[in-house]
Amino acid sequence: DTGVSQDPRHKITKRGQNVTFRCDPISEHNRLYWYRQTLGQGPEFLTYFQNEAQLEKSRLLSDRFSAERPKGSFSTLEIQRTEQGDSAMYLCASSSPAGTPTIQYFGAGTRLSVL
Amino acid sequence: GQQVMQIPQYQHVQEGEDFTTYCNSSTTLSNIQWYKQRPGGHPVFLIQLVKSGEVKKQKRLTFQFGEAKKNSSLHITATQTTDVGTYFCAGVQLGSSNTGKLIFGQGTTLQVKP
Repeated sequence: DTGVSQDPRHKITKRGQNVTFRCDPISEHNRLYWYRQTLGQGPEFLTYFQNEAQLEKSRLLSDRFSAERPKGSFSTLEIQRTEQGDSAMYLCASSSPAGTPTIQYFGAGTRLSVL
Repeated sequence: GQQVMQIPQYQHVQEGEDFTTYCNSSTTLSNIQWYKQRPGGHPVFLIQLVKSGEVKKQKRLTFQFGEAKKNSSLHITATQTTDVGTYFCAGVQLGSSNTGKLIFGQGTTLQVKP
């Protein structure tokens, strides 16, 4: 257990519905990342927070995707009007800037299935 | 954009044989990290390489970072069934070291026959 918690672990939804995932990073970590992993591929970067500020977003993150980290602790990733192509594992990772370069610790992920 | 290519995609070995996976980046990296993902699991950090030409060992695992900081390899000596999983390299591009954004390779899935 790395200390990064993600909820829910699995989500099945119908196309067009909205879904929200939560990530609780390791408590002293101020950096938080979201990645998406499809079957047979490596994780792809989606977005990055330093404390509550969202400092980088991938072009993969369409207008239907939004991420927040309101108090610089937990983060949420919302997907609106889900499409079948959104089916994937959504991974959260956190790190501390105590040393450069930093190590990212991944949560167990939320597996999304869009029917 | 930056790409990280990893080969081979799959490798089946007999227990006791050696295994190597190779990683190549289209751009120079600030550092490279290696992760292992077991079936149904999440990426677990193995090691980080920062210096040009760096070599690090963890028991039967040997990691290398190329002189140009654009390629890396992971070599496992005398594989065991516990080595089964997918091994990913993940690079941090020069200029992204402040964010630490990782660009992952496609992974090499290792199967070990007992």
